[in-house]
Amino acid sequence: DTGVSQDPRHKITKRGQNVTFRCDPISEHNRLYWYRQTLGQGPEFLTYFQNEAQLEKSRLLSDRFSAERPKGSFSTLEIQRTEQGDSAMYLCASSLLAGGKHEQYFGPGTRLTVT
Amino acid sequence: DAKTTQPTSMDCAEGRAANLPCNHSTISGNEYVYWYRQIHSQGPQYIIHGLKNNETNEMASLIITEDRKSSTLILPHATLRDTAVYYCIVRGYSGNTPLVFGKGTRLSVIA
Repeated sequence: DTGVSQDPRHKITKRGQNVTFRCDPISEHNRLYWYRQTLGQGPEFLTYFQNEAQLEKSRLLSDRFSAERPKGSFSTLEIQRTEQGDSAMYLCASSLLAGGKHEQYFGPGTRLTVT
Repeated sequence: DAKTTQPTSMDCAEGRAANLPCNHSTISGNEYVYWYRQIHSQGPQYIIHGLKNNETNEMASLIITEDRKSSTLILPHATLRDTAVYYCIVRGYSGNTPLVFGKGTRLSVIA
């Protein structure tokens, strides 16, 4: 399977703990996006990278959130001191900014539950 | 905020065409209409996009009105596997902007 993969698929953590999620984009895709989705809502943009550079961060991305894409390939999203309000599905997407094709391909998501 | 308005939910009989409307009255001249869908417990899936001409691919057809203020996504022969939330998104073609999702339309295909 050469699609976007995310790990883990599910994470249960206690309030105050740190968690880290990983996203592996489609090979050679230079754009990588993180979104968050709560129940009954559409996905909301958090941040995106072009290669290893983080180009934009949403106001939703508080100081407790940090994302990296160190070599322009996989990316990690870390949440420090988790709160119950962080419970959501975290989605990763990738795209190739070339040739007029800008479709984003999404992974299956990581469902976070903060107890 | 999302620039589109969609009905909250729709039903469609299996084998019939599903027509999903979307209003985007504030769309600007360089913005495209994109459609994604999200099947339960999966990430969103790209369906189709267009500027002003009607578009068709193996999944669906997209009909955009002449004034570009609304569009309709057509699934010609809906199956049970088409049951999903369908999102209509307006986006500049440069690809520099993230997707802005609304709440979408929950389509239920009924046997």
